[in-house]
Amino acid sequence: GESVGLHLPTLSVQEGDNSIINCAYSNSASDYFIWYKQESGKGPQFIIDIRSNMDKRQGQRVTVLLNKTVKHLSLQIAATQPGDSAVYFCAETSGTYKYIFGTGTRLKVLA
Amino acid sequence: KAGVTQTPRYLIKTRGQQVTLSCSPISGHRSVSWYQQTPGQGLQFLFEYFSETQRNKGNFPGRFSGRQFSNSRSEMNVSTLELGDSALYLCASSPTGGHTDTQYFGPGTRLTVL
Repeated sequence: GESVGLHLPTLSVQEGDNSIINCAYSNSASDYFIWYKQESGKGPQFIIDIRSNMDKRQGQRVTVLLNKTVKHLSLQIAATQPGDSAVYFCAETSGTYKYIFGTGTRLKVLA
Repeated sequence: KAGVTQTPRYLIKTRGQQVTLSCSPISGHRSVSWYQQTPGQGLQFLFEYFSETQRNKGNFPGRFSGRQFSNSRSEMNVSTLELGDSALYLCASSPTGGHTDTQYFGPGTRLTVL
């Protein structure tokens, strides 16, 4: 598959541990945020989203935290599995019909 | 429901040529967005269409253009290809492109310019 980022920051996590992926967003007017997962050879896949009137949202094994004061978003993955290995992107939007994506973080799950 | 489909999946062109990429959104989705993904620049917004109208455009030269048809299918065209246009071109669809509509991505078209 193609490389989505030759110089992406990489997070290596032991299988079964929790992962925390961070993202700093740029626009204080952004009020909707999304996390995507991209596996090699595939397009980004929606994981979870959060609106700016919330500071935490939980899904299945994933939690997103939003800190608007410091413009920071994080994705927590519980009990990380080998299938979680991928590149993770945060995206922000302020209602202008476009998403702005972060640079991405590569998650490597160690057996 | 079938997901977003993009054709072709792979393309090889030479400098100076032009290329047309196609995207079929998820059934019922009327908003289609295009993104360029490169290792150096990441995911960058190209343009968004809704009801055959372009509502927003990213910072790309005029060589990059797009259109949307009445059935919501979309095409993008790149003319006078340059080596730097080599990238993965991703299409995403959403119901209306509304503020909190989630965009769902296709697998992308890998364009290589030689």
